[in-house]
Amino acid sequence: GQNIDQPTEMTATEGAIVQINCTYQTSGFNGLFWYQQHAGEAPTFLSYNVLDGLEEKGRFSSFLSRSKGYSYLLLKELQMKDSASYLCAVRAAGNKLTFGGGTRVLVKP
Amino acid sequence: DSGVTQTPKHLITATGQRVTLRCSPRSGDLSVYWYQQSLDQGLQFLIQYYNGEERAKGNILERFSAQQFPDLHSELNLSSLELGDSALYFCASSDPTGYTFGSGTRLTVV
Repeated sequence: GQNIDQPTEMTATEGAIVQINCTYQTSGFNGLFWYQQHAGEAPTFLSYNVLDGLEEKGRFSSFLSRSKGYSYLLLKELQMKDSASYLCAVRAAGNKLTFGGGTRVLVKP
Repeated sequence: DSGVTQTPKHLITATGQRVTLRCSPRSGDLSVYWYQQSLDQGLQFLIQYYNGEERAKGNILERFSAQQFPDLHSELNLSSLELGDSALYFCASSDPTGYTFGSGTRLTVV
């Protein structure tokens, strides 16, 4: 089976940086995804890591260490609209995508 | 518009009833995944189809079933509904680089 852990909630100030950690245990690892989800809406794709290292995409970066079963999503220059849930998801063999419980980020002025 | 179409957007029904949720994947995608998201919960994987065949099953209840048709649209059937089945149901389709979600069906069982 798979086990994916991420913090339940984080609070940060507008303009600051927040790092959301995700640890996972899985067999047949085939990529890690980060999604953003506003309440009641569909998850939207943020980033994808399959090799170790950092992927940068504008204000968002994601890091992966396969040997440690660890990833983080870094959100820089936080804006109020970044208040949302951030979902870590692991793809295993057969392309099955399993999600963690999500981290609710609250951005305060 | 993500390209993944789900209908209906909202559904209100009584306990004990049966409903069918529909999903059309993005053009060219052969896979369909179904997820359930209860209030303030994470996305729970239900079932995956690829080109008409079941590929993987998650914690899907026996009261729930799904299928994928030759035109690649998929239907999720929920029967003998209980209050606890109230949730958002998402489908997604995938290509090698990622997964795209539909806007979901909000099911309310009263």
